Amino acid sequence: EIVLTQSPGTLSLSPGERATLSCRASQSVSSNYLAWYQQKPGLAPRLLIYGASSRATGIPDRFSGTGSGADFTLTISRLEPEDFAVYYCQQYDSSLYTFGQGTKLEIK
Amino acid sequence: EVHLVESGGGLVEPGGSLRLSCVASGFTFSIAWMSWVRQAPGKGLEWVGLIKSKGGGGTTHYAAPVKGRFTISRDDSKNTIFLQMNSLKTEDTAVYYCVKVYKEVTPAFDYWGQGSLVTVSS
Repeated sequence: EIVLTQSPGTLSLSPGERATLSCRASQSVSSNYLAWYQQKPGLAPRLLIYGASSRATGIPDRFSGTGSGADFTLTISRLEPEDFAVYYCQQYDSSLYTFGQGTKLEIK
Repeated sequence: EVHLVESGGGLVEPGGSLRLSCVASGFTFSIAWMSWVRQAPGKGLEWVGLIKSKGGGGTTHYAAPVKGRFTISRDDSKNTIFLQMNSLKTEDTAVYYCVKVYKEVTPAFDYWGQGSLVTVSS
């Protein structure tokens, strides 16, 4: 099983700042199989990024995903108030999925 | 517009069984891979299992903690998937989400249901 480790656990920033979230895999992951999700309290998660770098439908261009191999990054260029939430990375390998433990992005 | 609506959650005693259903609409269900994801109270997301389309082999795959106890099935005539949960444990308490897989080459979860709460307690 591929383990995903997200860092930091909590990120405290202000609106307008840049956020950089990391996801590291225990072994190499195909870029096609790496995704990022946003979850707000009481709601279902929402797909942000698939294939490591492609934005899902309706996702603003301030969200971007990069990376390959075992290291992936989600960047939010300029934080809006609605971006403060929990973010998860996810990978797929051999018909099995795993999620990272999440990064909580909170208002400083 | 895509909709996924789960039902069947509730309170069950340890060792008991429960079956969740998820009715889908707004896309061609028969060719879609579908999955279940759960989230224990205050915890992160945990993948439960996957069912591929019949054209994709119709196979099912499960996370280690539920393998042998949970079974996913589908009824393409009713645009519905099911999650049969047996030998339930207190650690199975969670909100269970039905999710649609985007596509085989980039198998992210593009649509999520609202979730169904399962509580395992005596």
